[in-house]
Amino acid sequence: AQSVAQPEDQVNVAEGNPLTVKCTYSVSGNPYLFWYVQYPNRGLQFLLKYITGDNLVKGSYGFEAEFNKSQTSFHLKKPSALVSDSALYFCAVRGMDTGRRALTFGSGTRLQVQP
Amino acid sequence: DTGVSQDPRHKITKRGQNVTFRCDPISEHNRLYWYRQTLGQGPEFLTYFQNEAQLEKSRLLSDRFSAERPKGSFSTLEIQRTEQGDSAMYLCASSLGAASYEQYFGPGTRLTVT
Repeated sequence: AQSVAQPEDQVNVAEGNPLTVKCTYSVSGNPYLFWYVQYPNRGLQFLLKYITGDNLVKGSYGFEAEFNKSQTSFHLKKPSALVSDSALYFCAVRGMDTGRRALTFGSGTRLQVQP
Repeated sequence: DTGVSQDPRHKITKRGQNVTFRCDPISEHNRLYWYRQTLGQGPEFLTYFQNEAQLEKSRLLSDRFSAERPKGSFSTLEIQRTEQGDSAMYLCASSLGAASYEQYFGPGTRLTVT
């Protein structure tokens, strides 16, 4: 079975400060990892993915994420938060070796960036 | 570039009625997925198609749920004899072939069962 934990329901950060949204996962074998963002009344938008290679992956809107195999984590980061980054963020995993295509999502973390 | 589209965006129905939702994936995408999202939760996988073949189904997909993708393009998800517990956002996603890993999501259909 595969699972994702997002331990923080909400993260508050001041505009201009760095932000981190945490994610840990459990999967058989090697993982494919993803971050999505959801704005009100809109579908999920793909931000970035880790498939293989460099542990630091860069994505849309200045976001990046760091894959840490030993800690089974894939935390989302941004050096300088914007008010417009306020949204709901989901981490997702798929096992590389399972043959399954389904993504397993965490329960989401609401990011609130204060002006 | 047209993304994934879903119709209707909102559906209110009475318990016991049947409902059908439609999803049109990104045109060149051969893989299509259905997920369900309830308030405060992440999306949960329901089923997956590669072209017209339904290759994966979740245990969440009870006998009252059926999905089709008859020509490998659009897909429909039908819920028969709806129950209040079926109230949720139903999300469709698509992806391109074996070399593409990320799934692109539509805006969803919000179902309310009264």
